[in-house]
Amino acid sequence: KAGVTQTPRYLIKTRGQQVTLSCSPISGHRSVSWYQQTPGQGLQFLFEYFSETQRNKGNFPGRFSGRQFSNSRSEMNVSTLELGDSALYLCASFPGTSGGETQYFGPGTRLLVL
Amino acid sequence: AQKVTQAQTEISVVEKEDVTLDCVYETRDTTYYLFWYKQPPSGELVFLIRRNSFDEQNEISGRYSWNFQKSTSSFNFTITASQVVDSAVYFCALKMGAQKLVFGQGTRLTINP
Repeated sequence: KAGVTQTPRYLIKTRGQQVTLSCSPISGHRSVSWYQQTPGQGLQFLFEYFSETQRNKGNFPGRFSGRQFSNSRSEMNVSTLELGDSALYLCASFPGTSGGETQYFGPGTRLLVL
Repeated sequence: AQKVTQAQTEISVVEKEDVTLDCVYETRDTTYYLFWYKQPPSGELVFLIRRNSFDEQNEISGRYSWNFQKSTSSFNFTITASQVVDSAVYFCALKMGAQKLVFGQGTRLTINP
């Protein structure tokens, strides 16, 4: 089975721009979670989607948004980028049908905001 | 509130030494799940183990072993006969049901040849 894929792997943007990151889950998985990883804050939960519905949301400003498509692929968008948005964005895939399932992570997208 | 504490920020050992990574968690729920992930320099989080709160049996997988003790709310990870390839950041994580994964701050492990 193919693993979780994330595109692009690296991205450089300037303040004020917006960015869209993509995540393709493992085949058969219907849930996707997004996490932001920074040296200062560690791994923080952004949101979780299941069957195109946002099921859970972390404590991030409204500039961070996401969506999931009918094929379970997910995108997250960050508008009006700030320097502090520079981070590794990780996507995780899991079946989503019961609690406590193992989440399998993709390679991440490294975003640098200048 | 749920919380995971990995008190060891960095550990450095010489190859072939045994090393234990500590993880202490806090939760009021009786049903929960604990995980360990490895993050090599490439950045991807690699799943190592999952344990539910009703299964306190210790687990061994090759050179890796895990000690789960509910009495002390700990889920420690031991690498026996460490190797350079074990160098990475290791994360312990906690999840209750459908809620989010909560990660510890991670322990950076360096194995020196």
